[in-house]
Amino acid sequence: QQPVQSPQAVILREGEDAVINCSSSKALYSVHWYRQKHGEAPVFLMILLKGGEQKGHEKISASFNEKKQQSSLYLTASQLSYSGTYFCGTVIQGAQKLVFGQGTRLTINP
Amino acid sequence: NAGVTQTPKFQVLKTGQSMTLQCAQDMNHNSMYWYRQDPGMGLRLIYYSASEGTTDKGEVPNGYNVSRLNKREFSLRLESAAPSQTSVYFCASSEVWGQAYQPQHFGDGTRLSIL
Repeated sequence: QQPVQSPQAVILREGEDAVINCSSSKALYSVHWYRQKHGEAPVFLMILLKGGEQKGHEKISASFNEKKQQSSLYLTASQLSYSGTYFCGTVIQGAQKLVFGQGTRLTINP
Repeated sequence: NAGVTQTPKFQVLKTGQSMTLQCAQDMNHNSMYWYRQDPGMGLRLIYYSASEGTTDKGEVPNGYNVSRLNKREFSLRLESAAPSQTSVYFCASSEVWGQAYQPQHFGDGTRLSIL
């Protein structure tokens, strides 16, 4: 029941945009996004609830398509500070566990 | 604010040794979690405690035991360490209301090597 993230890794230049996808085979109640910098703990970014909502956090936003059972994280005009590994976590409808994906490693070069 | 505090930060063990990883949170959260993180595997839940006095298995509980000592503290014990348990261990805490998980706050992690 682990969600699947794509791509596994992406390399960008500063100022470029990125999209990270998170897909589930089960109907979802919520999707959670975290960022982890190398050698540090994961840090919460945002939670999206079923209902197809979209949220924003600085230049980082996300959407949740309940019908497609997937979420996408959008990073616009990426900055060096955006480098790190991004994890999505999903709560399946009817379940009470948060399960994390395998992560997407984002590298931003000058 | 300390948030979630884990000890120790680093540990090297020999196969067969035992040890306990400690975790404490000062945010008055009901729920606490232990994860392990291995390259390419993401964060995998070992055990969690939805509230004081309760514990439940996660995805990878074999070889581990936990104790929810009180609302603040949640410890993870390796009874007989194996090289496959070499990993980075994270403790986290949050509030949960039914399916509604609130943001999880993570400790800095314990880097554990089993020789």
